[in-house]
Amino acid sequence: DAKTTQPPSMDCAEGRAANLPCNHSTISGNEYVYWYRQIHSQGPQYIIHGLKNNETNEMASLIITEDRKSSTLILPHATLRDTAVYYCIVRVAFKAAGNKLTFGGGTRVLVKP
Amino acid sequence: KAGVTQTPRYLIKTRGQQVTLSCSPISGHRSVSWYQQTPGQGLQFLFEYFSETQRNKGNFPGRFSGRQFSNSRSEMNVSTLELGDSALYLCASSGTSGVGSDTQYFGPGTRLTVL
Repeated sequence: DAKTTQPPSMDCAEGRAANLPCNHSTISGNEYVYWYRQIHSQGPQYIIHGLKNNETNEMASLIITEDRKSSTLILPHATLRDTAVYYCIVRVAFKAAGNKLTFGGGTRVLVKP
Repeated sequence: KAGVTQTPRYLIKTRGQQVTLSCSPISGHRSVSWYQQTPGQGLQFLFEYFSETQRNKGNFPGRFSGRQFSNSRSEMNVSTLELGDSALYLCASSGTSGVGSDTQYFGPGTRLTVL
């Protein structure tokens, strides 16, 4: 699976949008971009994923650049409960590969009042 | 649907003992993966089971083993515990056969402390 690079930490203000970048310059055409977050000592929570189109759900939006070498997770209105470590992961998309997520260090996001 | 459940949630063992952790996947999910999370190494993949067969394996010693039952429930076992095995052990399940858009959903984890 391709390696990802994320800033180690970032702060954002409550009520403002949080934009979390991820670089995956070696991504292959058959690899998806996934985002998870982990609130202290809990299991990682799935947020969103995409292949090449932008995606939106009730939690966040995912913007993938046209060359797919980077992406941005957008939390539209950050709340204090969004304070967590956010992981950007790429994984292959073919059957035989099975399910293996390779986690990097993630971005520690602190939402401040 | 109920989420992934893991038991026990907390466990304290001593060095040299063995431990078995249990994971019940989301109903209908056939793939179960296990991860270890430590402050030093982060989240690391242990192994994945699908239809009672190990399909993927991470880079862990043979003291770490697992199995999956016909109802998709899974157990992992760690024998001859070492202090370094203290960690949060996470289980994740996913729905189909492993095609890339399958999403893994994680349980709350089992916190193992080895004294």
